[in-house]
Amino acid sequence: NAGVTQTPKFQVLKTGQSMTLQCAQDMNHNSMYWYRQDPGMGLRLIYYSASEGTTDKGEVPNGYNVSRLNKREFSLRLESAAPSQTSVYFCASSDRVIMAGELFFGEGSRLTVL
Amino acid sequence: RKEVEQDPGPFNVPEGATVAFNCTYSNSASQSFFWYRQDCRKEPKLLMSVYSSGNEDGRFTAQLNRASQYISLLIRDSKLSDSATYLCVGEADSWGKLQFGAGTQVVVTP
Repeated sequence: NAGVTQTPKFQVLKTGQSMTLQCAQDMNHNSMYWYRQDPGMGLRLIYYSASEGTTDKGEVPNGYNVSRLNKREFSLRLESAAPSQTSVYFCASSDRVIMAGELFFGEGSRLTVL
Repeated sequence: RKEVEQDPGPFNVPEGATVAFNCTYSNSASQSFFWYRQDCRKEPKLLMSVYSSGNEDGRFTAQLNRASQYISLLIRDSKLSDSATYLCVGEADSWGKLQFGAGTQVVVTP
């Protein structure tokens, strides 16, 4: 079972470059999320999608855009990367109908912006 | 002030011992709480949910104290494999957005 798959797992960018993090889930979940994790800060929600066709800002959306391409896929785009966006990014999905609060995470994408 | 706060640790625990640590939350309206486990350089995974006053799952016991706004996690008979960072999580709003603490590191030593 693949669960939640993120690509790429590692990426180094220069300031000002753009990139897209891809995420796909095969659990037929309605809700999908993008978090970033920084030392001492915990996981912070960037954007989420409660269902296909909807997206909403989370706690730290500035500098990011998202696309819920279909029920399976939720991508995160950095239009002009900045060193402050160096972080570990996690995509997650959930089915709140069955289990509120249980998020299934991808393995993470480690991004360094020079 | 962070909505969910945790002692970062590390809590160094001899194998077989009991360890307990707390997490405080500021949103008194939060109804549900969760403990996630995160191994080094891995993704978080749900350990247990905490509804009403608490929950027990094998060697793990979670308790919720609404009056003092904290959640505790107790691990009995610690195993080397329990070494991880434990994330305290609260529901941030009625939709169910989650608020993560920064985590408490536990190191179980032989």
